Amino acid sequence: GENVEQHPSTLSVQEGDSAVIKCTYSDSASNYFPWYKQELGKRPQLIIDIRSNVGEKKDQRIAVTLNKTAKHFSLHITETQPEDSAVYFCAASSRPGGGADGLTFGKGTHLIIQP
Amino acid sequence: KAGVTQTPRYLIKTRGQQVTLSCSPISGHRSVSWYQQTPGQGLQFLFEYFSETQRNKGNFPGRFSGRQFSNSRSEMNVSTLELGDSALYLCASSLGSGPLHFGNGTRLTVT
Repeated sequence: GENVEQHPSTLSVQEGDSAVIKCTYSDSASNYFPWYKQELGKRPQLIIDIRSNVGEKKDQRIAVTLNKTAKHFSLHITETQPEDSAVYFCAASSRPGGGADGLTFGKGTHLIIQP
Repeated sequence: KAGVTQTPRYLIKTRGQQVTLSCSPISGHRSVSWYQQTPGQGLQFLFEYFSETQRNKGNFPGRFSGRQFSNSRSEMNVSTLELGDSALYLCASSLGSGPLHFGNGTRLTVT
């Protein structure tokens, strides 16, 4: 089955700096890669996703890049703000059509924004 | 539109007992997935139901089971509870090919 590795497990950055979280996956058939943000005591929420026919996707301060050859994808957050502090999970799915069901998640990165 | 609703929010059980958790998906969503969340292990996939059929299953023992009803509501059952089953159990719904929408979870504590 799919295996998703996520690094680092904890990331501390100064407010205003950029943060990068990296994930690798094992199943070359994986075609859908979402990122979820989970604030303390709250549910995970989708913040951005990318499908395998796209190399990069941006949404304001957040971007995701995908390298299918190397089987890795990354989350980039620029101009970090205190509200970015949370646990971030990457995930991968190889369901035909890129469905989100049966996602395999990474173990999460605790992002800490230092004032 | 109402979000994914999970009941109960908290449960305390003793070893050997069984438990049933409930999940009501977003209206119109036919897929329901269940995940176990523990510190250090992240989100681990349990199973997924679509139109009352189990479509996908993770690597959990047979003590973990589920079902889905015709109205897409889903239940998850854990029998013969063990201390290691203590976790946050998250349910997520989707249209089947779109992003997952998570509920707030059920916090299960086994003593």
